This record gives sequence, structure tokens and C-alpha cells, in this order.
Amino acid sequence: SQTIHQWPATLVQPVGSPLSLECTVEGTSNPNLYWYRQAAGRGLQLLFYSVGIGQISSEVPQNLSASRPQDRQFILSSKKLLLSDSGFYLCAWSVPPGGYGYTFGSGTRLTVV
Amino acid sequence: GENVEQHPSTLSVQEGDSAVIKCTYSDSASNYFPWYKQELGKRPQLIIDIRSNVGEKKDQRIAVTLNKTAKHFSLHITETQPEDSAVYFCAASNGNDMRFGAGTRLTVKP
Repeated sequence: SQTIHQWPATLVQPVGSPLSLECTVEGTSNPNLYWYRQAAGRGLQLLFYSVGIGQISSEVPQNLSASRPQDRQFILSSKKLLLSDSGFYLCAWSVPPGGYGYTFGSGTRLTVV
Repeated sequence: GENVEQHPSTLSVQEGDSAVIKCTYSDSASNYFPWYKQELGKRPQLIIDIRSNVGEKKDQRIAVTLNKTAKHFSLHITETQPEDSAVYFCAASNGNDMRFGAGTRLTVKP
């Protein structure tokens, strides 16, 4: 069966520090991968999605970036965190085509101080 | 790009009553409409979904309806229970990415 792993679960980082969040999927090949951010009490904002290795689509201008070095690995990064980067970050995957059946990782709660 | 509007933002019902959450979407290419339930501090979990070739789908106390012409879809929960209290998100997908509504905080009062 397919599983998605996301870590770390919680992270407290100072302003200006770098960030690296990792997500891996098991049990499937060539998944669509996504990063979402959820601010406290708010909805889900799509940050990046990837339909294949090295293929990244960015939704909003920001100081975050994403990379997909392997088929089932998706990384969210920042060189310098801002206070506004605080939130709940969720990785998700789906089986293409059609984007059906999104499954979310357990999420990373990032607090920038 | 796709824009998904969700209403209401908060909904409070008495246990046993029904709850209805409504969403609209803008991209006519959207063909998949899932609903997610998110409990506090946890990941969203898929509870029901519908594809564009179907008008209605039911799973026990939960049903979803889709009107493709009007670009509306709705979630119906009957005989609500306190454990139904959570934030519910609708979403629309065109096959490449998925856009979510802003969420509805449902409170079921015992």
C-alpha cells in the first residue's frame, strides 16, 4: 500500500535561518507531489506541485523553493525564513492523470521566531 | 487558475440535525471534487469525492451533489454527531493540481 512520510513534525526556527522539509512517498511510481501551507485557522494554499523529477510549478512568489531530486521525494526549502513563513506545511501526493485521491502527509508545524 | 469559494465559514448545528456546506468553482476543466475533514492539529482526511460524470454520491450519513452547469457542489451531513465537529474543505481538481476552499468550521452541539 502507498504511504507518505513527512518530517519533521514540528520545527521552531529563527528569522533568517534556512529551512528544509522533506516528503517521501512509498508504494507508487511517478506520483504527482504537492506542498501546501495552512496558516493558523485558515485554508490550504498550494505552494508547489510536481508532475515528475525536476519538474516544479510554483503558485505564489515567495522566498520558498521546492525540488524533486528523486521520483518519490519532494523537498521544500528556504534560504532565509521570514516570520510570515510560520504555518502548517502539508505534503500530498496523487496518482496521475486526474489528480484523484489526494493523500496528505502528517504535516510540519513551523514556527518562525 | 481555479478559484474555489466555500460557504459558510462557520456552521453550528444541534446534534441530530443536518449540515450543508456549499462550494462553487470557476474552472470548467475541473472534473474531480473531493471533500476533506480536518480535525485540530491533524492532516486533512478524504471523506467523500465525486467525479464530473456523476451528479450525486452517498456514503452513509454523508452525501455530495454536483451541478456542473452551475459549477456548484455541496456536502450534506445528516444526523450529525459531536464527532462530526471539524473543519471541512471542498476542493476542485483539473487533473494537475487541486484548489481548496477556505474551509467551514462545523460545530455539532450535543
